Amino acid sequence: KQEVTQIPAALSVPEGENLVLNCSFTDSAIYNLQWFRQDPGKGLTSLLLIQSSQREQTSGRLNASLDKSSGRSTLYIAASQPGDSATYLCAVSWNTGNQFYFGTGTSLTVIP
Amino acid sequence: AAGVIQSPRHLIKEKRETATLKCYPIPRHDTVYWYQQGPGQDPQFLISFYEKMQSDKGSIPDRFSAQQFSDYHSELNMSSLELGDSALYFCASSLGSGSFYEQYFGPGTRLTVT
Repeated sequence: KQEVTQIPAALSVPEGENLVLNCSFTDSAIYNLQWFRQDPGKGLTSLLLIQSSQREQTSGRLNASLDKSSGRSTLYIAASQPGDSATYLCAVSWNTGNQFYFGTGTSLTVIP
Repeated sequence: AAGVIQSPRHLIKEKRETATLKCYPIPRHDTVYWYQQGPGQDPQFLISFYEKMQSDKGSIPDRFSAQQFSDYHSELNMSSLELGDSALYFCASSLGSGSFYEQYFGPGTRLTVT
């Protein structure tokens, strides 16, 4: 069964700290992986998309890495800010189709 | 830049009623995806369309149907509503079919079934 797991479910850090969010997935034959941000009661904002042939993607203070062989992806946030507080979801697509399978997310709180 | 538009943003229905959710993709995007997110849960893929044809199907109940029209907007029709259908329904669009292409999500329609 193809599953996506995110640990921890919740994380609190002081402002300015660097942090890493983890995403693990069964079945290493992924097509690609996408990281999203979701604010309470709001829609999903795409952060980074990593194709299966890529090892990492960077956008501003965000860096996402992909290690297919170990079934893991990490989202690194540098110099965290209170505005980064949100739930971060990773979603994986396997070769079988269009659909993304979402993890349950990590709720991040950055304390001023 | 134009984003994915969903209407209505909020909808309240009673059990056994019917609801129709609409999604207008980003201009020139030809693929639309529907997701359901229950309270405290992760989004679950329902169905997708590419060039007006169903391209993939996920955990969409038989009571639900969807289609994509010639102008690429999509509608999700939900009949015989149940309390468990209360959720946030997201539409996403992409330029091209398949997960190779980045999906852009709309703000969602919050459906409450009473």
